[in-house]
Amino acid sequence: AIQMTQSPSSLSASVGDRVTITCRASQGIRSDLNWYQQKPGKAPKLLIYAASSLQGGVPSRFSGSGSGTDFTLTISGLQPEDFATYYCLQDYDYPWTFGQGTKVEIK
Amino acid sequence: QVKLVESGGGVVQPGKSLRLSCAASGFTFRSYGMHWVRQAPGKGLEWVAVMSYDGSKEYYADSVKGRFIISRDNSKNTLSLQMNSLTAEDTAVYYCVHIGGYNAMDVWGQGTTVTVSS
Repeated sequence: AIQMTQSPSSLSASVGDRVTITCRASQGIRSDLNWYQQKPGKAPKLLIYAASSLQGGVPSRFSGSGSGTDFTLTISGLQPEDFATYYCLQDYDYPWTFGQGTKVEIK
Repeated sequence: QVKLVESGGGVVQPGKSLRLSCAASGFTFRSYGMHWVRQAPGKGLEWVAVMSYDGSKEYYADSVKGRFIISRDNSKNTLSLQMNSLTAEDTAVYYCVHIGGYNAMDVWGQGTTVTVSS
């Protein structure tokens, strides 16, 4: 199975900060990478699909980049509602695999 | 709009079975693949299984292969997950998820909780 290594596992940031989360695949996965946001007690929400495409309704401060094995989620100008846990997911090959998650906390 | 409602969760003893269901509405169910994803308490997300739109293909996580069976009834707009030989490690919230464009899991149900305990 393809392993997804996400970093950092947690970070503290302030409102307005630029935040970057990375995800590395154990083998090349083209651009078959999605990013999700999850708040406590809620189902995950799709933010980015195909590595860099913004899901409809998602604020433009969220962006994704990368291909092959290295991917990045960037939040430009962190907002109070962005404090949550973020996961990457490879949909290149079954079994699909998630990163272990990055918890973004308030500094 | 796409709506997914899971049911069937509960408390079950180790070694027993449980069947989860997902009622889908707001889209042409028979045209879309569907997934199950789970999340153990305090842990990350784990992909569980997928079934193609017509039921011809199914794939499983290694952790559930041979124990869980995914199925669908396109006449009733329902996705199911038959879970057998349950262990404590299967304790989780189970989500039913719709596959949208670009093969992305774009709409999630609210989840149903399964607790395996004696």
